[in-house]
Amino acid sequence: EVQLVESGGGLVQPGGSLRLSCSASGFTFSSYFMHWVRQAPGKGLEYVSGISSNGHNTYYGDSVKGRFTISRDNSKNRLYLQVSSLRAEDTAVYYCVKDMRDWGQGTLVTVSS
Amino acid sequence: QSVLTQPPSASGTPGQRVTISCSGSSSNIGSKSVNWYQQLPGTAPKLLIYSNDQRPSGVPDRFSGSKSGTSASLAISGLQSEDEADYYCAAWDDSVNVPVFGGGTKLTVL
Repeated sequence: EVQLVESGGGLVQPGGSLRLSCSASGFTFSSYFMHWVRQAPGKGLEYVSGISSNGHNTYYGDSVKGRFTISRDNSKNRLYLQVSSLRAEDTAVYYCVKDMRDWGQGTLVTVSS
Repeated sequence: QSVLTQPPSASGTPGQRVTISCSGSSSNIGSKSVNWYQQLPGTAPKLLIYSNDQRPSGVPDRFSGSKSGTSASLAISGLQSEDEADYYCAAWDDSVNVPVFGGGTKLTVL
């Protein structure tokens, strides 16, 4: 069974940084494209970032380009998202998604002073 | 403003058939496959339909997807109270080189 468990969310001040993590199990992590998708409170889904199975190719939504960095460690079955220069509008639940099919339960990032 | 356009709401009575539309362009739905996701209240999204019309195992055959040109549709037949949820369409977009989502449709079972 595919399991994706996000961690690292929390309350952070505007301009601050966090590192989100996603621990994956139940599948061959190194074979799959992985993504981060976020959902602001009461709003729809927004694509954040994606990374190819070998980590060589990365993709970012326009609203986070230059501020967020996606990475992965296939030896540890972990996906990461370094979020920096945070703004109030980055407040959201951040979901780890395998191949745009299987979703984790999400981790909440709140940006507020 | 979402790249893919969905109606914000839809409704039906138990047993009815409802359809949710998703409109895009040649750079996304027109040339790429469409996924549909169901998000029950307070939970993470769940894949409902992939590759336009394919159902993952465990998804009831009451749910079906279709695509024509730059539009896609999700149909739910034999509507049940537990189908009350938000539904999102998504497709890769060649113009921005990332997947794009519809704004979501809130389905109410009356």
